[in-house]
Amino acid sequence: DGGITQSPKYLFRKEGQNVTLSCEQNLNHDAMYWYRQDPGQGLRLIYYSQIVNDFQKGDIAEGYSVSQEKKESFPLTVTSAQKNPTAFYLCASSIRQTDTIYFGEGSWLTVV
Amino acid sequence: QQQVKQSPQSLIVQKGGISIINCAYENTAFDYFPWYQQFPGKGPALLIAIRPDVSEKKEGRFTISFNKSAKQFSLHIMDSQPGDSATYFCAASRGGAQKLVFGQGTRLTINP
Repeated sequence: DGGITQSPKYLFRKEGQNVTLSCEQNLNHDAMYWYRQDPGQGLRLIYYSQIVNDFQKGDIAEGYSVSQEKKESFPLTVTSAQKNPTAFYLCASSIRQTDTIYFGEGSWLTVV
Repeated sequence: QQQVKQSPQSLIVQKGGISIINCAYENTAFDYFPWYQQFPGKGPALLIAIRPDVSEKKEGRFTISFNKSAKQFSLHIMDSQPGDSATYFCAASRGGAQKLVFGQGTRLTINP
């Protein structure tokens, strides 16, 4: 089935460590996105890519980095510079220049 | 700053009742208004969307009402069921999915 696969679902890390969240899509979408969701808050855009390996910063890019070797894969690294990394991270994709985005199941990151 | 304000934060409705969630926006250039439904621990899923050329759109028990002059739109869930219990997000954009601005979310509980 076509969809967006995020892994791992749950991740625990010690403060000061970098962590990478995986996102793969087989929808043949051109654009991919990373959002952060905190309890009781809306979704905030971290990074997105509409052309392979051409990344654009979203509203809260500081402390995060992305990479993209192929359009189907868009991993997110949460670096030690991110002050409050504990959150629910959502990967999404869309057909470029359309409005509708489709989300993965999310990854819970807890930093202790 | 472009914002979408969503209310209420939480809502409890009896089974069979009508659930109403409201959103207000500031940017008159917005031309796409989706609603997403999110179950606990899952990613948001597109529920229904509207563009400003119509004032209402209905899909099954879900209806979006749009008031362009008031810069408001709302989601109505008719005959609410316990399975509708979820968090609902409104959003707005112009010019592509990367421009989506999300509301803060409404946690809806349908009591049996």
